[in-house]
Amino acid sequence: GDSVTQMEGPVTLSEEAFLTINCTYTATGYPSLFWYVQYPGEGLQLLLKATKADDKGSNKGFEATYRKETTSFHLEKGSVQVSDSAVYFCALSGGAAGNKLTFGGGTRVLVKP
Amino acid sequence: EPEVTQTPSHQVTQMGQEVILRCVPISNHLYFYWYRQILGQKVEFLVSFYNNEISEKSEIFDDQFSVERPDGSNFTLKIRSTKLEDSAMYFCATGTSGYNEQFFGPGTRLTVL
Repeated sequence: GDSVTQMEGPVTLSEEAFLTINCTYTATGYPSLFWYVQYPGEGLQLLLKATKADDKGSNKGFEATYRKETTSFHLEKGSVQVSDSAVYFCALSGGAAGNKLTFGGGTRVLVKP
Repeated sequence: EPEVTQTPSHQVTQMGQEVILRCVPISNHLYFYWYRQILGQKVEFLVSFYNNEISEKSEIFDDQFSVERPDGSNFTLKIRSTKLEDSAMYFCATGTSGYNEQFFGPGTRLTVL
């Protein structure tokens, strides 16, 4: 079945550092890819998405590019802030797996001032 | 901005008791989902619901679970006879189509004693 693998955390960074969270997927068909973020005490919020190969999703300074050849959707941000401290989830839906979301394990990011 | 709401935010119950978790979807959304996240583990799909019937369910969603839209607005998850291992955060999600992003509620933390 479909699966998503993302780097384990926690990732600890200083403010203004560069953030990369790796995400790779296994899926049949042509899934859509998502990054969700969970701030402390809150639910999951969509951060960005990409629906086809070579699409780049972007939001709030975060970017991720749908790479079909490497089955990856790595999340990047050039200069993190303390407010970016959260858990980040990579997910996919569509393709042969239908419309449910399949999540990676989540990566906790802690940004220190 | 419209949002998905869930009640209660925290439910404590005794093993063997029935619980009903409630979700109010965003008003023009037609696709509804339940996910759960056991502490420290992945977010897992439970069930999807469209046009007043289950469209897909996971192997977790066995006979102790059921879903319904009792009044056309609320979307509920019933767990008939709770077990210790049902302790988790339960998230409701809704969407406008089967393959677009899903909008998540803040979750209900279920604790089974």
